[in-house]
Amino acid sequence: AQSVTQLGSHVSVSEGALVLLRCNYSSSVPPYLFWYVQYPNQGLQLLLKYTSAATLVKGINGFEAEFKKSETSFHLTKPSAHMSDAAEYFCAVRQKTSYDKVIFGPGTSLSVIP
Amino acid sequence: GAVVSQHPSRVICKSGTSVKIECRSLDFQATTMFWYRQFPKQSLMLMATSNEGSKATYEQGVEKDKFLINHASLTLSTLTVTSAHPEDSSFYICSARAGEAYEQYFGPGTRLTVT
Repeated sequence: AQSVTQLGSHVSVSEGALVLLRCNYSSSVPPYLFWYVQYPNQGLQLLLKYTSAATLVKGINGFEAEFKKSETSFHLTKPSAHMSDAAEYFCAVRQKTSYDKVIFGPGTSLSVIP
Repeated sequence: GAVVSQHPSRVICKSGTSVKIECRSLDFQATTMFWYRQFPKQSLMLMATSNEGSKATYEQGVEKDKFLINHASLTLSTLTVTSAHPEDSSFYICSARAGEAYEQYFGPGTRLTVT
């Protein structure tokens, strides 16, 4: 079965600094991977997705992620943090068994310090 | 496009009563809808998957008689929490997917508080 781990339940960066949120996956088949962002008391918004095409995926709001099969990683980065990036970030993997479902990682809370 | 709505956004009910939460796909037909539960500072836990016109598939440990899911049309799924108790208080989020597409679109969530 597929699973996702996120190293660091909380990450704090200064405004303008690099954002790096870590995600490692476990999958016996080529995975579909996602990054979602959640603002307080809201649903989830898709930032970007990897679907076995280009390994470097660009998403919304300046975020990107690189799929590294050798490291089973799909880390999320943004060159320069903005105050509005403060939110909860979830990495997720698609699990396709008898029916499709998405398995979410535990989440990383990002704080941006002015 | 691909907007999913939930109603209500917040609901407070008394212990022992039932509450219904609606999930609608506004601009696409959702053949599959998912219901998640999220506790504070935690990740989303999938409760069940529902396909239009068929019975929902519940995840292990989720009581199907307590969390009734109906997916009667391609744009509407409902979650009814029956005989609610304070421990059912949580943030419930639905998502919807069209056809065989892998991408899910999430609703804004419903905050349920049982007193």
